[in-house]
Amino acid sequence: DAGITQSPRHKVTETGTPVTLRCHQTENHRYMYWYRQDPGHGLRLIHYSYGVKDTDKGEVSDGYSVSRSKTEDFLLTLESATSSQTSVYFCAISDMVRGNSYEQYFGPGTRLTVT
Amino acid sequence: DQQVKQNSPSLSVQEGRISILNCDYTNSMFDYFLWYKKYPAEGPTFLISISSIKDKNEDGRFTVFLNKSAKHLSLHIVPSQPGDSAVYFCAASEGATGANNLFFGTGTRLTVIP
Repeated sequence: DAGITQSPRHKVTETGTPVTLRCHQTENHRYMYWYRQDPGHGLRLIHYSYGVKDTDKGEVSDGYSVSRSKTEDFLLTLESATSSQTSVYFCAISDMVRGNSYEQYFGPGTRLTVT
Repeated sequence: DQQVKQNSPSLSVQEGRISILNCDYTNSMFDYFLWYKKYPAEGPTFLISISSIKDKNEDGRFTVFLNKSAKHLSLHIVPSQPGDSAVYFCAASEGATGANNLFFGTGTRLTVIP
């Protein structure tokens, strides 16, 4: 298994509070991603990083921000959590292998409930 | 709008028989396709992939077929085993010489009956 951990694994928070989820990798992969999984939608990309301090938006980035100060850590922040952000959040990593970086490897997920 | 679709939410198969999971896509720019397997309370695990320049890729009991003209791919598992029971996600990507967005289907829950 790829060395990817996520913390916390479960969190319940109230509407309006800030929340930060952490992804930590030990694979030294260049690219890191945050996805959310919701029923009827599969997994959708929130934000991604292509290097330290280099990040960009995915398809569902509203209400989220990210930071990457070290290769191994990628943080996802909900500035003011809403009930629509109740979801399971997955971190993923990838790197260039045989000329491409298609294959992504996922962490175990964080189940977030916003009440 | 969902660019990758898995129209069968669930599939049940007898142990030892073939499981066929299907996936359709709408974006003709996708050039790489992947299948992931997911157990409850775990992250998706990469299973097998195929480039758009191929029409078949095989890895042990798993084979993926790609029909570009129909924008359709399928995953064949033979023989199916009870440990294969999981949710299978199809994913697609366009151009990955850097960070890339994987577009996922909604998943098919496979149950292999002993």
